Amino acid sequence: KQEVTQIPAALSVPEGENLVLNCSFTDSAIYNLQWFRQDPGKGLTSLLLIQSSQREQTSGRLNASLDKSSGRSTLYIAASQPGDSATYLCAVIKYQLIWGAGTKLIIKP
Amino acid sequence: SAVISQKPSRDICQRGTSLTIQCQVDSQVTMMFWYRQQPGQSLTLIATANQGSEATYESGFVIDKFPISRPNLTFSTLTVSNMSPEDSSIYLCSVVVRGERNTEAFFGQGTRLTVV
Repeated sequence: KQEVTQIPAALSVPEGENLVLNCSFTDSAIYNLQWFRQDPGKGLTSLLLIQSSQREQTSGRLNASLDKSSGRSTLYIAASQPGDSATYLCAVIKYQLIWGAGTKLIIKP
Repeated sequence: SAVISQKPSRDICQRGTSLTIQCQVDSQVTMMFWYRQQPGQSLTLIATANQGSEATYESGFVIDKFPISRPNLTFSTLTVSNMSPEDSSIYLCSVVVRGERNTEAFFGQGTRLTVV
């Protein structure tokens, strides 16, 4: 059974810092891995999608990596801003999504 | 890609009543997924809605409490029946689109339900 774990559960850093969020999964037989952002009380915004054959994807200040063999993905946020404060969720996709519990990120001005 | 329109975006409901949430997708999809996110928690899959057959419910969720309709390949509804304050959550519908190059999940905007 696929299990997805995100570490840390919460993170608070000063504005401007670079940071890394971690996602691990137990079954490497996935199609893709997707990172989402969720603002309080809101729905989900897709940030990055990494196909199982890829090793990383970049969008602006965000970079996501995938190491299927070790069952790990990281989301790197460069030069963090207060607007980046949100909960970040990773999900692995095969026939459906299996979710991590999320990392609650607070960027302090 | 897929664009999902979900409504209502939020509602405050009385205990014992029911609320039906609708999701409209701009393309035909085989499966639609319904999730619940209780305060401070991650997403929990309620059920998978297939067109032309009964929905498949996850452990802990039953059809009498969360009846689902899937009349065609672009539309689905989830009803939260006989609501109690414990049903206060964000409810989300989702589709997974398998293209030539990748498989990606898309979500509705969510329905924030408060039961009083």
